[in-house]
Amino acid sequence: DVKVTQSSRYLVKRTGEKVFLECVQDMDHENMFWYRQDPGLGLRLIYFSYDVKMKEKGDIPEGYSVSREKKERFSLILESASTNQTSMYLCASNKDRGIYGYTFGSGTRLTVV
Amino acid sequence: QKEVEQDPGPLSVPEGAIVSLNCTYSNSAFQYFMWYRQYSRKGPELLMYTYSSGNKEDGRFTAQVDKSSKYISLFIRDSQPSDSATYLCAMSGVSNYQLIWGAGTKLIIKP
Repeated sequence: DVKVTQSSRYLVKRTGEKVFLECVQDMDHENMFWYRQDPGLGLRLIYFSYDVKMKEKGDIPEGYSVSREKKERFSLILESASTNQTSMYLCASNKDRGIYGYTFGSGTRLTVV
Repeated sequence: QKEVEQDPGPLSVPEGAIVSLNCTYSNSAFQYFMWYRQYSRKGPELLMYTYSSGNKEDGRFTAQVDKSSKYISLFIRDSQPSDSATYLCAMSGVSNYQLIWGAGTKLIIKP
């Protein structure tokens, strides 16, 4: 069964901490994405990557960075966590351009206190 | 104006009813249309995928695309309580890496 695995389901961090969210896919997909999902706002794209060591800003990149050193792994970094970054974070991957649907991980519910 | 509009609901219907979920969009370049289902505290999962106009059926689910009206629909026949979830539409053009998402409609099927 193909999978996108996010390292943590629930995470509680303090304001100002550096936070790492990890995502691994086993489908040899080229593209990987990080979204956050908030009630009433839907899915918002933070960053995406279409190849190893490549990254592109999405709609809301401020306060985040990403790393893709290997094809299967895409990490989201909150440089200095703030309470307004409390959210559900979803990682996704797909094989080629948008013509193929995404496979999502189960999400990480991050709370910043 | 958002590129993709979707009524957030919630939409509450009795078990066995036919459900109609809809999205409208503004970009005529969109060619690929998808419906995702998201259960509470889970990631979205791909439910239906359609290229260009027309209908596609899969069991109790039918996806319909009307490009002339820039309108897509998902129909669920004989709805079950297990269909209770949030349904998100998504679409893309030919040359995009990204999907453009609707906000999602929360569906509740009452036993």
